[in-house]
Amino acid sequence: DAGVIQSPRHEVTEMGQEVTLRCKLISGHNSLFWYRQTMMRGLELLIYFNNNVPIDDSGMPEDRFSAKMPNASFSTLKIQPSEPRDSAVYFCASSRARGSRETQYFGPGTRLLVL
Amino acid sequence: TQLLEQSPQFLSIQEGENLTVYCNSSSVFSSLQWYRQEPGEGPVLLVTVVTGGEVKKLKRLTFQFGDARKDSSLHITAAQPGDTGLYLCAGAPFTGNQGGKLIFGQGTELSVKP
Repeated sequence: DAGVIQSPRHEVTEMGQEVTLRCKLISGHNSLFWYRQTMMRGLELLIYFNNNVPIDDSGMPEDRFSAKMPNASFSTLKIQPSEPRDSAVYFCASSRARGSRETQYFGPGTRLLVL
Repeated sequence: TQLLEQSPQFLSIQEGENLTVYCNSSSVFSSLQWYRQEPGEGPVLLVTVVTGGEVKKLKRLTFQFGDARKDSSLHITAAQPGDTGLYLCAGAPFTGNQGGKLIFGQGTELSVKP
């Protein structure tokens, strides 16, 4: 079975532009997590969903960030407008069920550079 | 705010040496996980520990969860160049956790030289 799929793998954009990151969950998984990784702050949880419903978005930096799950297997993370400080690697991860002991399977990440 | 502090942040050793990585917090966690991340890839789960005092072994890797469930350690025996990578601990908080939330440490960057 394919793992978590993220696209694009790399994104370079200019400040003020809209950025959309995409994630396809592993088939049969129903929890979805978006993380951001930087050298300074490490790996931070931005938001997570269970059965398409956002459960905790307290990690979303500000209103410029939004995340959706239009269906059970797909999610988007949008940044509008983007700023240089948003430059980071963005990961999504999925797990089979709700619960902190469940294995989270991470995608390969999207490397975002905002100039 | 619940934090997990890892030490050391960087570790460079020779093949065959032993090492220990620490993950500490002032908060109690319901479970703790260790992940390994290679450059250009996402983290991959190594182990989950649940019970205070629990010890798990994965070949040359030994993981321990502290008795009070506030800390954990990862010990690698006879390190190999293939062990090189970023090691991350992640704790599941008891409170405000409606399922699946993890708090990650900053990571320990391990380099094992042949």
